[in-house]
Amino acid sequence: QVQVVESGGGVVQPGGSLRLSCAASGFTFSSYGMHWVRQPPGKGLEWVAVIWNDGSTKYYEDSVKGRFTISRDNFKNTLYLQMNSLRVEDTAVYYCARLSGGSCTSTSCYGDWFDPWGQGTLVTVSS
Amino acid sequence: DIQMTQSPSSLSAAVGDRVTITCRASQSISSYLNWYQQKPGKAPKLLIYGASSLQSGVPSRFSGSGSGTDFTLTINSLQPEDFAIYYCQQSYSTPPYAFGQGTKLEIK
Repeated sequence: QVQVVESGGGVVQPGGSLRLSCAASGFTFSSYGMHWVRQPPGKGLEWVAVIWNDGSTKYYEDSVKGRFTISRDNFKNTLYLQMNSLRVEDTAVYYCARLSGGSCTSTSCYGDWFDPWGQGTLVTVSS
Repeated sequence: DIQMTQSPSSLSAAVGDRVTITCRASQSISSYLNWYQQKPGKAPKLLIYGASSLQSGVPSRFSGSGSGTDFTLTINSLQPEDFAIYYCQQSYSTPPYAFGQGTKLEIK
């Protein structure tokens, strides 16, 4: 079935780095854009980053620009999130999700949605 | 950037009730509005896309309506498994992608 599975979370000190992975299966990974979304403990959903299906376009939420890098390997059907200069406020469950539906140009999308979602991986930034 | 505001932030209802959750966009987003359900310790799940289209496998007691800036999610005849947090999300000229702050539906 269509699914995505995250891994790589853990505890890291402020200023440290971590790389998350998201393994996709059950669909043609190279045909879909992919997202990272995070959820701090007890709080709501926050979009983090998106990458187009061919990796040509990437966007980031303002607070992670310059610190996080989204990438993908279409041969390995895997999405990544490299997180550097981590801050306490980056503590959250990180979800990957497929960019589904809608229509995308080289620079934007409309009418799309997040589906499916992975089970999430917890990143804790603490000294 | 487009901001999404949900109301109420929480509500209590009984099994069998009909409930409505509202989502308002800071500017017109046509019908590009999606709804998600999240249960404790679980990932969000897509319920409705395009303001009113029911995702495959979602029970028909869920429905969505609206366009422009005002949208509603309605749940008819609440079931025990419907008690969860519900989020709206706009998909008009993205990115960036914006979610509402969530509405927690609790058992009365």
